[in-house]
Amino acid sequence: QSALTQPASVSGSPGQSITISCTGTTNSVGSYNLVSWFQQHPGKAPKLIISEVNKRPSGVSDRFSGSKSGSTASLTIAGLQAEDEADYYCCSYVGYSSWVFGGGTKVTVL
Amino acid sequence: EVQLVESGGGLVKPGGSLRLSCAASGFVFSDYYMNWVRQAPGKGLEWVSSISSTSTYIYYADSLKGRFTISRDNAKNSLYLQMNSLVAEDTAVYFCARRLGGQLWSADFDSWGQGTLVTVSS
Repeated sequence: QSALTQPASVSGSPGQSITISCTGTTNSVGSYNLVSWFQQHPGKAPKLIISEVNKRPSGVSDRFSGSKSGSTASLTIAGLQAEDEADYYCCSYVGYSSWVFGGGTKVTVL
Repeated sequence: EVQLVESGGGLVKPGGSLRLSCAASGFVFSDYYMNWVRQAPGKGLEWVSSISSTSTYIYYADSLKGRFTISRDNAKNSLYLQMNSLVAEDTAVYFCARRLGGQLWSADFDSWGQGTLVTVSS
């Protein structure tokens, strides 16, 4: 299955906005609006925060938003807070009945 | 409240087998696709396998090379993963996850267990 590329780390100060990219191929992210984003704190299970590019599940802060352009999906965290410090993973359907996760991005709140 | 509780992890020798279980509660288990996702120590998430609500459709990651088998028992609200011919690279926390299926192939894994650790070592 094709890979999804994320930056290893992104950092920002409290109150700032940050964006995490997730780059796939025309056969994965570029072909389907089926990208999800997950937040994972150390030692915890992942939590779904965005599905289908830009849908926010009930209970997820509206500071989280998703978008896509071509083969790159993006997660934006607005008004960065200390509790946002975590690992973030994108995931996309890549065809052939399979899903692939990105390598993950560590978000640090300075 | 949706709950997923994995069990069955442990230490196994290379070449050995292990069967993981996931007990589900708080929702109509038979209505949902279920999945296994793993995470090697200090590494990222890797989708492993998916099974449809009635076990009609089953999918695996190519990397597993036919060594793993997913199954479910809707009467027992349980999901399973039989893992054979284990190698060191299979060492990971194994999570079971429910998929909402907002769209047929949506990656909306909305509920996760806490995971069970599988260690493959001699």
